[in-house]
Amino acid sequence: DQQVKQNSPSLSVQEGRISILNCDYTNSMFDYFLWYKKYPAEGPTFLISISSIKDKNEDGRFTVFLNKSAKHLSLHIVPSQPGDSAVYFCAARAWGSNYKLTFGKGTLLTVNP
Amino acid sequence: DVKVTQSSRYLVKRTGEKVFLECVQDMDHENMFWYRQDPGLGLRLIYFSYDVKMKEKGDIPEGYSVSREKKERFSLILESASTNQTSMYLCVSTRQYLPNYGYTFGSGTRLTVV
Repeated sequence: DQQVKQNSPSLSVQEGRISILNCDYTNSMFDYFLWYKKYPAEGPTFLISISSIKDKNEDGRFTVFLNKSAKHLSLHIVPSQPGDSAVYFCAARAWGSNYKLTFGKGTLLTVNP
Repeated sequence: DVKVTQSSRYLVKRTGEKVFLECVQDMDHENMFWYRQDPGLGLRLIYFSYDVKMKEKGDIPEGYSVSREKKERFSLILESASTNQTSMYLCVSTRQYLPNYGYTFGSGTRLTVV
């Protein structure tokens, strides 16, 4: 039972345009969501997070939107840069879970110059 | 700068060997986790620990065990390595009660079992 779903295995965008990565979840106990970026042969690096009490969080070029009623979140990258090309993972934590993170399968973003 | 250090970046082991993957953090974090990452499967939780000598199974614990004798060190043990355990292994730590500090990942260990 996959509780965090990233339905797009890959996404390709042009440099300067907006990248939108999507994530759906099924567990209503999730109260905290994170996005990570991962380059090959490296550990994931934290990008941005959002608590379930908010619907938007912004940090520079990165904005995460949370729609609790739809159990959906999205990561917007504006403007996209070639260095953003990586695998992006959506992760969620359930309240009372000893801080375990549940990850989606990832989306490979390619930003073309 | 906070750090999670995994002792090896690359390992090659033979089928049937006992394999130890070590992880050390210098942030006095209570919670530590071992994940494996496989293409198309994302990161899956193997085991985690929320205190010294405490451990809990994650989603895919079969074939693995863990040890946490000291707060800063969390070891993953492959009792008898098999080829289906070839993967990237990631250690993660975080602090209790202040989780918004974020989760810190190690750089990963790429294990190949031949």
